[in-house]
Amino acid sequence: GNSVTQMEGPVTLSEEAFLTINCTYTATGYPSLFWYVQYPGEGLQLLLKATKADDKGSNKGFEATYRKETTSFHLEKGSVQVSDSAVYFCALRETGNQFYFGTGTSLTVIP
Amino acid sequence: KAGVTQTPRYLIKTRGQQVTLSCSPISGHRSVSWYQQTPGQGLQFLFEYFSETQRNKGNFPGRFSGRQFSNSRSEMNVSTLELGDSALYLCASSLEKGFHTDTQYFGPGTRLTVL
Repeated sequence: GNSVTQMEGPVTLSEEAFLTINCTYTATGYPSLFWYVQYPGEGLQLLLKATKADDKGSNKGFEATYRKETTSFHLEKGSVQVSDSAVYFCALRETGNQFYFGTGTSLTVIP
Repeated sequence: KAGVTQTPRYLIKTRGQQVTLSCSPISGHRSVSWYQQTPGQGLQFLFEYFSETQRNKGNFPGRFSGRQFSNSRSEMNVSTLELGDSALYLCASSLEKGFHTDTQYFGPGTRLTVL
């Protein structure tokens, strides 16, 4: 079946530090992969997505590359800001199927 | 375009009662999904509706049900509420032009507290 595994949180970083949040997936076919972000008190927002192998999604300085050989979609940002403090969810979807979400990784950035 | 709206935003009920939550998708979106979010379990998929039909279903008991109307608006109902049903219930809509790359857009959620 389909599933998504994310690194456990919480993650605490100093401002301008490098961020990596690991995400690996299991899928029976060829899914699209997504990163969503949830700021305190809000619903989830799409951060970036990739629809096929070797695609790189990017937005607001965040990047993730669809790696079929390692079934991974790790989220990275070169220099985090306090405003990036949120919960990050990795997700996948195959045609006609539901979305599968990871458990979420809480990030806190301190000045 | 207006985003996904959910009503009410907050709800307090007692055990044994039932509750109905409402979701209005983005105009033109045909698919609506519901999720339960709790600190311990994360984001759990409840069900997805497409063109008034339930297309996918998660592993929740029959007390959780939903429906979708012809205008794509959706409701979910929880009967015989239990303390463990306290959660943030999120609704998400997507366009569904037949491609699995469609993005889901989330509403702000309904915070349900069961006393």
